[in-house]
Amino acid sequence: QTVVTQEPSFSVSPGGTVTLTCGLNSGSVSTSYYPSWYQQTPGQAPRTLIYSTNTRSSGVPDRFSGSILGNKAALTITGAQADDESDYYCVLYMGGSWVFGGGTKLTVL
Amino acid sequence: QVQLVESGGGVVQPGRSLRLSCAASGFTFSSHGMHWVRQAPGKGLEWVAVIWYDGSNKYYADSVKGRFTISRDNSKNTLYLQMNSLRAEDTAVYYCARWGGGNEYFQHWGQGTLVTVSS
Repeated sequence: QTVVTQEPSFSVSPGGTVTLTCGLNSGSVSTSYYPSWYQQTPGQAPRTLIYSTNTRSSGVPDRFSGSILGNKAALTITGAQADDESDYYCVLYMGGSWVFGGGTKLTVL
Repeated sequence: QVQLVESGGGVVQPGRSLRLSCAASGFTFSSHGMHWVRQAPGKGLEWVAVIWYDGSNKYYADSVKGRFTISRDNSKNTLYLQMNSLRAEDTAVYYCARWGGGNEYFQHWGQGTLVTVSS
């Protein structure tokens, strides 16, 4: 069974930089999995941030960036702001199915 | 602008059925594949099903295979999710999302509709 792994929680200081990761329980994440990232605040629908590893969705500020770091996909937030405090989910495409990671709760303090 | 509006959620008893709808506007619905994604209370997101732009292909998560059916009516710009043999673990907010085509992502999201399976 495919399991997509994310850090359960992370904290960052305002103005700081944080990198969230997205891994696989079996193997490495590559661009072939089309990693994408979503931001969600409580009670709201998800917002699309990054797709196809490193392409920002329309309207997403350039302080959000995506990449492959080692064997994982990564979402980096530079110059963190208070309203970046959210849950962040990655998704990997598994050829006819999509698998979400468990999400990372980001605290900005 | 792209708008996706889900409806049809509510409280249903275990074993019963429910059909969700997602009304699309602001884009050419018949040119885009569509997904259903759900989120149980206090839990993470889970992909449920996808349908091709013309309805020719459909895929499901193992957790709903054989019980849920995704479909669409391109003449009505509407996506559906027929949910049968509902279980308590199907309780969730159900989102429809437009497929981002060859980039394999969820491009636009609706606001969701809550389904509660309880006796």
